[in-house]
Amino acid sequence: EPEVTQTPSHQVTQMGQEVILRCVPISNHLYFYWYRQILGQKVEFLVSFYNNEISEKSEIFDDQFSVERPDGSNFTLKIRSTKLEDSAMYFCASSEGTGGRTDTQYFGPGTRLTVL
Amino acid sequence: DQQVKQNSPSLSVQEGRISILNCDYTNSMFDYFLWYKKYPAEGPTFLISISSIKDKNEDGRFTVFLNKSAKHLSLHIVPSQPGDSAVYFCAAHAFSGSARQLTFGSGTQLTVLP
Repeated sequence: EPEVTQTPSHQVTQMGQEVILRCVPISNHLYFYWYRQILGQKVEFLVSFYNNEISEKSEIFDDQFSVERPDGSNFTLKIRSTKLEDSAMYFCASSEGTGGRTDTQYFGPGTRLTVL
Repeated sequence: DQQVKQNSPSLSVQEGRISILNCDYTNSMFDYFLWYKKYPAEGPTFLISISSIKDKNEDGRFTVFLNKSAKHLSLHIVPSQPGDSAVYFCAAHAFSGSARQLTFGSGTQLTVLP
């Protein structure tokens, strides 16, 4: 069964450093997403991406964040200058994009980001 | 922000019995609801969904019920198995053109006792 994959599984970085989290969405999916879950809190939406551009973003997704589809398979989340409060599990998801109202999102295993 | 609420942080059920997980929402624009299961150190796994035009959807041991007037949905698992022990998240979205962000509840930890 096709699945979303993410690398690395765990990333440790120093505050102020740039990090890039990588995702390979399911191959025939058209919509891609990033969510995050801070320890003990809800899963929160960050951004959705369609047709090579951001289709929606939350208030969390400020200028420190960017997303890119550098090739036909990868989808990346970049945090330019990490802060302690960026420590969280980051989940990538993808959906077919053809189901209209009933478009189901499938999640990857997550990348645990620890900012020291 | 409490648009999707799961008021029970945990639930314990005996193997073979029914598990009922509940979810309430406040945003009347939500029109698609999903349940995800999550094991520690893994991503949410899609279980079952329901569109707002339906009141019930069944898939094997899993059934989701939607009561739009009460803004309430529930997930029934029967019979419950020890492998069902996980955190269950309710999620919802309001379809609006390209807007597809999911709003999640806080999750319910289900423990199925052998």
